[in-house]
Amino acid sequence: EVQLVESGGGLVQPGGSLRLSCAASGFTFSSYAMSWVRQAPGKGLEWVSGIVDSGGSTYYADSVKGRFTISRDNSKNTLYLQMNSLRVEDTAVYFCAKARATIGISTQEWGQGTLVTVSS
Amino acid sequence: DIQMTQSPSSLSASVGDRVTITCRASQSITPYLQWFQQKPGTAPKVLIYTTSTLQSGVPSRFSGSGSGTDFTLTISSLQPEDFATYYCQQSSRTPLTFGGGTKVEI
Repeated sequence: EVQLVESGGGLVQPGGSLRLSCAASGFTFSSYAMSWVRQAPGKGLEWVSGIVDSGGSTYYADSVKGRFTISRDNSKNTLYLQMNSLRVEDTAVYFCAKARATIGISTQEWGQGTLVTVSS
Repeated sequence: DIQMTQSPSSLSASVGDRVTITCRASQSITPYLQWFQQKPGTAPKVLIYTTSTLQSGVPSRFSGSGSGTDFTLTISSLQPEDFATYYCQQSSRTPLTFGGGTKVEI
């Protein structure tokens, strides 16, 4: 059974930094692209970033480009999202998601999310 | 970026009703269109991927169709557990983008 468990969320001041982690199990982590998707309180879904299976290519939404960095450690079956220069509008639940197939970026299976609150 | 326009944004329906939700992309995305269901306080769950493939375990009353830029999610007979918010998503190219959501209410 695929399991994705996010951690690292919390309260941070505007301009601060936070690193999210997503521990994966139940599948061959190194064979699948992974993504981060967020949902602001009471709002819709926004794809934030994706990374291919090897970690060799990364992709970002314009809203986070230059501030967020996605990475993965295939030896630890863990996905990361380093978030710098945080803004109030980054407040959201952040989900990690596994791709459906071993090719391409998609979001087939999701973790339960971790809440990031950016506030002074 | 590919824009996804979903309609309606909300609808009221009764148990047993046939419900249709539409999603329009700003450019052709065939077949990379997914439908998700989300209930309050939980993660989205994929119902249908690549336009019309039913995710394992999803009831057959859910179906998807479409091509090019126009896609549809149909619930043939609405059940109590189907009251939720539904999102379409394109995965044809990055950034992946979602529709604004459709809240299905009693």
